[in-house]
Amino acid sequence: QVTLKESGPALVKPTQTLTLTCTFSGFSLNTNGVRVSWIRQPPGKALEWLARIDWDDDKFFSTSLKTRLTISKDTSKNQVVLTMTNMDPADTATYYCARMRGAGYRYWFDPWGQGIPVTVSS
Amino acid sequence: EIVMTQSPATLSVSPGERATLSCRASQSVYSNLSWYQQKPGQAPSLLIYGATTRATGIPDRFSGSGSGTKFTLTINSLQSEDFAVYYCQHQGTFGQGTKVEIK
Repeated sequence: QVTLKESGPALVKPTQTLTLTCTFSGFSLNTNGVRVSWIRQPPGKALEWLARIDWDDDKFFSTSLKTRLTISKDTSKNQVVLTMTNMDPADTATYYCARMRGAGYRYWFDPWGQGIPVTVSS
Repeated sequence: EIVMTQSPATLSVSPGERATLSCRASQSVYSNLSWYQQKPGQAPSLLIYGATTRATGIPDRFSGSGSGTKFTLTINSLQSEDFAVYYCQHQGTFGQGTKVEIK
């Protein structure tokens, strides 16, 4: 059974750096073809893809946020870590990690973690 | 960048009726289109991938159709648990969602 769970702070101050951890089970990021993404959802709004890391350590980022994002993996711990710098109240959202299924450019997200709500406020 | 546009924003349907949701891509995405259901306070869950293939455990009252730029999610005989927000997705782009509410 594949599961993912996000962890991190619930509250960060403006200009601070957010660090979120996705801990997963049921698969390995050492396995060829495995990919994990981060996606966020501001309150009452739509989903926004943020970043992705692949089994071979390839990394991809949202064009609009790439200067603020880093993503890394720790395969020994089955974790993916996302950092976002210079946090702003507009970054208040629920942050999800999800396994990517499919291959190449044909992919979808399944399953998703439960999400972690993050508020940016002083 | 491809833009995904969903319509309508809100759909009011009576239980037992059919709901038809639309998703349009700004350019062809072939059949590379997925649908998700999100209930309040929950993470999205996969319904359909490859435009037409139901995910594991998804009841057959959910069906996806379309290719290129026009896609449809049809929910037949709406059940109480189907009232939710539905999103389409192509690669890293999601639509704005359609809320299916009780009429």
